[in-house]
Amino acid sequence: DGGITQSPKYLFRKEGQNVTLSCEQNLNHDAMYWYRQDPGQGLRLIYYSQIVNDFQKGDIAEGYSVSREKKESFPLTVTSAQKNPTAFYLCASSIGHSNQPQHFGDGTRLSIL
Amino acid sequence: KQEVTQIPAALSVPEGENLVLNCSFTDSAIYNLQWFRQDPGKGLTSLLLIQSSQREQTSGRLNASLDKSSGRSTLYIAASQPGDSATYLCAVRLLTGGGNKLTFGTGTQLKVEL
Repeated sequence: DGGITQSPKYLFRKEGQNVTLSCEQNLNHDAMYWYRQDPGQGLRLIYYSQIVNDFQKGDIAEGYSVSREKKESFPLTVTSAQKNPTAFYLCASSIGHSNQPQHFGDGTRLSIL
Repeated sequence: KQEVTQIPAALSVPEGENLVLNCSFTDSAIYNLQWFRQDPGKGLTSLLLIQSSQREQTSGRLNASLDKSSGRSTLYIAASQPGDSATYLCAVRLLTGGGNKLTFGTGTQLKVEL
């Protein structure tokens, strides 16, 4: 089945530690996105990539980093500089054109130990 | 800056009732608007996508309308069922700016009771 796979489902971070969230898609989509969801707030865009080897900051990129070395993969690293990382992280992809819908993975819940 | 608001934040209805969820946005220069469903602890499932040139889209018991000039969209759910219980999110895509970026509302949490 085609889709977006996020792993792990749950992740715990210690103080001062960097952690990486995985996002893989087999939909052959050009564009990929990372969102953060906090209780009572809408999804906020962290980073997005429209093509391999290129990515742009979203609205809340500070404390995060990404890479896009392969079309199907867009990992997100939550660095120690992100002081409030506890949230639900969602990865999405789309064909790339603005008139096409975005499709989402099942998310990763990150908590602080 | 585009702001998206969804009212009410929570809604509880008896099974079989028809209902309307509201979404409003401040910048009418949108490319399209997308409605999503989110089950607890899960990702988003795309329900309907309305292009700026369209007035409405239908899928089964769902009908979404768009009034771009007034900055409003509604999601109509006919003959609601307990399985419709979820959080419903709307998101708009602006004409300006790079990429296929969405601005989301905070969602309406729907509970359909037996």
